[in-house]
Amino acid sequence: DAMVIQNPRYQVTQFGKPVTLSCSQTLNHNVMYWYQQKSSQAPKLLFHYYDKDFNNEADTPDNFQSRRPNTSFCFLDIRSPGLGDAAMYLCATSRAAGTDTQYFGPGTRLTVL
Amino acid sequence: DQQVKQNSPSLSVQEGRISILNCDYTNSMFDYFLWYKKYPAEGPTFLISISSIKDKNEDGRFTVFLNKSAKHLSLHIVPSQPGDSAVYFCAAIDEKLTFGTGTRLTIIP
Repeated sequence: DAMVIQNPRYQVTQFGKPVTLSCSQTLNHNVMYWYQQKSSQAPKLLFHYYDKDFNNEADTPDNFQSRRPNTSFCFLDIRSPGLGDAAMYLCATSRAAGTDTQYFGPGTRLTVL
Repeated sequence: DQQVKQNSPSLSVQEGRISILNCDYTNSMFDYFLWYKKYPAEGPTFLISISSIKDKNEDGRFTVFLNKSAKHLSLHIVPSQPGDSAVYFCAAIDEKLTFGTGTRLTIIP
């Protein structure tokens, strides 16, 4: 089955210790997105890649970076996690940008100690 | 500034009855609207969508209504089934997808 896979599903890190979250897709979609969702809040777009073109949201902190080494994989790097970065991180893909349906992975829940 | 609002955090409906989930938006540039469904420990799953040029879209038990003048949309589920128990997110697109905070729907057997 074509899908969006996120690893790990649960990640615990220490305050200030860099952490990387992984997303892979078998849908061969051009666009990959990273969202942050805090408890009882709406998922919030951090950035997205259209193919190799990186698009950062204006209010995404510099602490968050992303890499997309190939079509299938996209990584979210948090350089110095703070307690406020504890959240669910959702990866999504779509064939094209705009109104194309986005398909989400199961998410990675990040805990910062 | 929450551009997509779901004012009911939770809703309980008897099995077999109609579930109505509501969503309001403030950005008149939104031209496409979607509903996503989310089970615990899973990512959101696309359910149904509607373009701003339409006022209704139906897919089986699910119907979405759009009232552009009121900047309001709603999702109707008829008849409601226990498997419909989930969190439902309303979302809207102008240049990006903007989500509401979700409504937790519980179907009572």
